[in-house]
Amino acid sequence: GAGVSQSPRYKVAKRGQDVALRCDPISGHVSLFWYQQALGQGPEFLTYFQNEAQLDKSGLPSDRFFAERPEGSVSTLKIQRTQQEDSAVYLCASSKAIYEAFFGQGTRLTVV
Amino acid sequence: AQSVTQLDSQVPVFEEAPVELRCNYSSSVSVYLFWYVQYPNQGLQLLLKYLSGSTLVESINGFEAEFNKSQTSFHLRKPSVHISDTAEYFCAVSAGNQGGKLIFGQGTELSVKP
Repeated sequence: GAGVSQSPRYKVAKRGQDVALRCDPISGHVSLFWYQQALGQGPEFLTYFQNEAQLDKSGLPSDRFFAERPEGSVSTLKIQRTQQEDSAVYLCASSKAIYEAFFGQGTRLTVV
Repeated sequence: AQSVTQLDSQVPVFEEAPVELRCNYSSSVSVYLFWYVQYPNQGLQLLLKYLSGSTLVESINGFEAEFNKSQTSFHLRKPSVHISDTAEYFCAVSAGNQGGKLIFGQGTELSVKP
């Protein structure tokens, strides 16, 4: 595709629900990143994949957060038993060359 | 570990005036530096980056930033702003051994008034 595509754009979840956020990277991009952006804050790193390998998950805030990229292309960020503090915009970025990350428009998650 | 501080959360400025958005970083290793821009309801876009070489880097729309190692700064400047420059600007750093992982500042909201 022309850019990084994220779906859904908006998600409202009741506290305790599980959610799955999808990221379609630019075709051919080896690296894929997930970031969390709380209201009024800068994005914070969650996790990083190179192809299907998850090389860094140091930013995942708890074991309720899980990310996968089984075929080295599409990635899914799953949040189990959502809590209000999970409300944020979740950004996905992909890159072919290092330090050339392209960001999607994000998924705005609201937990009520 | 790296960290980024953007010293101004909001910068209001009149059209055609100059502007400087300040960014300081801390790191125990060499870093690469970036400025991203986020227009309302859009994703982050890379504005410019410093990887090596000339410490002064420029974007295609008139912004420039200068890497100052001694002051650990990477301030963003534009000599004359337009209404269309109104956006949120994020400074970010990345260490060389982290695969491109970015550490962002809190952001600076640039508001250009007519």
